[in-house]
Amino acid sequence: AQSVSQHNHHVILSEAASLELGCNYSYGGTVNLFWYVQYPGQHLQLLLKYFSGDPLVKGIKGFEAEFIKSKFSFNLRKPSVQWSDTAEYFCAVNTGTASKLTFGTGTRLQVTL
Amino acid sequence: EAGVAQSPRYKIIEKRQSVAFWCNPISGHATLYWYQQILGQGPKLLIQFQNNGVVDDSQLPKDRFSAERLKGVDSTLKIQPAKLEDSAVYLCASSYRTGEVSPLHFGNGTRLTVT
Repeated sequence: AQSVSQHNHHVILSEAASLELGCNYSYGGTVNLFWYVQYPGQHLQLLLKYFSGDPLVKGIKGFEAEFIKSKFSFNLRKPSVQWSDTAEYFCAVNTGTASKLTFGTGTRLQVTL
Repeated sequence: EAGVAQSPRYKIIEKRQSVAFWCNPISGHATLYWYQQILGQGPKLLIQFQNNGVVDDSQLPKDRFSAERLKGVDSTLKIQPAKLEDSAVYLCASSYRTGEVSPLHFGNGTRLTVT
């Protein structure tokens, strides 16, 4: 069964700092990869997804992620974070046969002014 | 479009009591999921429906949890009897169809506290 690891549990950054959140998965076959975000008091929502093609995918609000197959990674990046990016970020993977998503434990991002 | 609706938002019960959660997915979404999110962990799939049939319930504790989606639209998740370790947020999600190209849309969840 697939699993997802997010090694950064809590990240604190100042506004305008660059962000990179790590995500590694364990599955040897074809995968679909997702980043979801949960803003305080809101529901989980899709940030970006990778199914195939260009391994660098762009999502909403200036976020991007790069799929590196050889490293089993799908790290999330943003060049300059804003206070409004304060949220919890979840990496998730499914193996393409169904939409059963396996989530990581999440990374809480706190952006200070 | 209207999002995934869940109720109640919060529920506090004592152990050994029963509880039920309700979910109404986005109109036209054939696939419905129930996830359990324990504090400090990522969501864990409990059960997945395709229309009114169960696709995956391998992680559902069937001795105490049950779920149904009788008419292929809304769904209920029940816990009977509840245990302390069931304290969590129960998330409902829906997608247009089963398949890798259909991202999930989540509701706000029901936060259950078992005392």
